[in-house]
Amino acid sequence: QVQLVQSGAVVKKPGSSARVSCLASGDIFKTHSFNWVRQAPGQGLEWMGKIVPVLGTVTNSQKFQGRVTFSANESTSTAYMEFNSLTSEDTAIYYCATEGRPPQKFQYWGQGTLVTVSS
Amino acid sequence: DIQMTQSPSSLSASVGDRVAITCRASQSISDYLNWYQQKPGKAPRLLIYAASSLQGGVPLRFSGSGSRTDFTLTISNLQPEDSATYYCQQSYSVPRTFGQGTKVEI
Repeated sequence: QVQLVQSGAVVKKPGSSARVSCLASGDIFKTHSFNWVRQAPGQGLEWMGKIVPVLGTVTNSQKFQGRVTFSANESTSTAYMEFNSLTSEDTAIYYCATEGRPPQKFQYWGQGTLVTVSS
Repeated sequence: DIQMTQSPSSLSASVGDRVAITCRASQSISDYLNWYQQKPGKAPRLLIYAASSLQGGVPLRFSGSGSRTDFTLTISNLQPEDSATYYCQQSYSVPRTFGQGTKVEI
């Protein structure tokens, strides 16, 4: 049974950074990419980028280039997203979601992490 | 980037109705199209992948069709628990992109 468990909600000041973790159970860390998707309040879904832990490769959305870093720790089966220079417009729920072998799809999702940016 | 456009943005229907949600891609994506259901306060749930393949555990009243640029999600015999927002998403290329969502009210 695959499960993705994310870290808890955080409140951050403008200009600071936030790190969200995604712990994977089940044997997917070696076969899946870990994607990050965000959802601003009342808005739709927005893909931010992904990491393929077994290859160490990262792909970022151009929108977030330079502000977001994806990493993964194979020994703990945990993927991370670190987001810098936060503004109030980054207030959102951040989800991790995995993609496996083709046909590619976001089959497994974490429960989401609310990041609130407020002074 | 591939733009995904859904219609309608919202709809209201009754229990037992059949509804259709359309999704149009800005360029051909073959059948690299997935559909998700999201209920308030919950993560999205995969319903349909590769345009027409039903994800395990998803009721048979959900079906998907289409290819290249035009796709449809159909919900037959609508049930109260189908009240949710539905998103299409292309997996043809990065960045992965989603439609803006269709809110279904029952």
